[in-house]
Amino acid sequence: GIQVEQSPPDLILQEGANSTLRCNFSDSVNNLQWFHQNPWGQLINLFYIPSGTKQNGRLSATTVATERYSLLYISSSQTTDSGVYFCAVEGAGGTSYGKLTFGQGTILTVHP
Amino acid sequence: DGGITQSPKYLFRKEGQNVTLSCEQNLNHDAMYWYRQDPGQGLRLIYYSQIVNDFQKGDIAEGYSVSREKKESFPLTVTSAQKNPTAFYLCASSQGLVSTGELFFGEGSRLTVL
Repeated sequence: GIQVEQSPPDLILQEGANSTLRCNFSDSVNNLQWFHQNPWGQLINLFYIPSGTKQNGRLSATTVATERYSLLYISSSQTTDSGVYFCAVEGAGGTSYGKLTFGQGTILTVHP
Repeated sequence: DGGITQSPKYLFRKEGQNVTLSCEQNLNHDAMYWYRQDPGQGLRLIYYSQIVNDFQKGDIAEGYSVSREKKESFPLTVTSAQKNPTAFYLCASSQGLVSTGELFFGEGSRLTVL
């Protein structure tokens, strides 16, 4: 099946700093999503972005499907941004079709 | 409010007992999913269903069973055959029949087997 790698595994920031999280995937994709998991375990969908660029407030994401990567940008980080960020993809064919495969996540800690 | 409700939030069971986790959605979504998360790990797919009365195995289906008798409900049974059942279980749903579309999650059920 499709492989998903996220980097960095851990990231520590001061409040107000910017950051970039990366997601690499091993095959063509139909679907790519970014999620934020808060300290209580709740997963929130940030972006549905199989290609192109989207922005939502201080967050933006870009997927370059032909080069098999996606980036999540967080600007002016706040302590409430802390948590785990997951990238998940649906492969374009074979056994990956119809289901999302998750990366291992990036643990973000933002200090005041 | 529309959403996905999982229950119970916390569950303790003795080894060898079957356990059923509930997942209900009122989003009118066709597809539903069960994921397992272990500490410090990503999510792994257990089972998914894209239509009533049909479901498919995910990557780690052994020791689990599901049913999809109603569109809004997708319960997961953790059987005694599951070798390491202690984990955080997450239910999700999405609109699409043929593709996952945007995925929405419930708050999760934390199972501890003593």
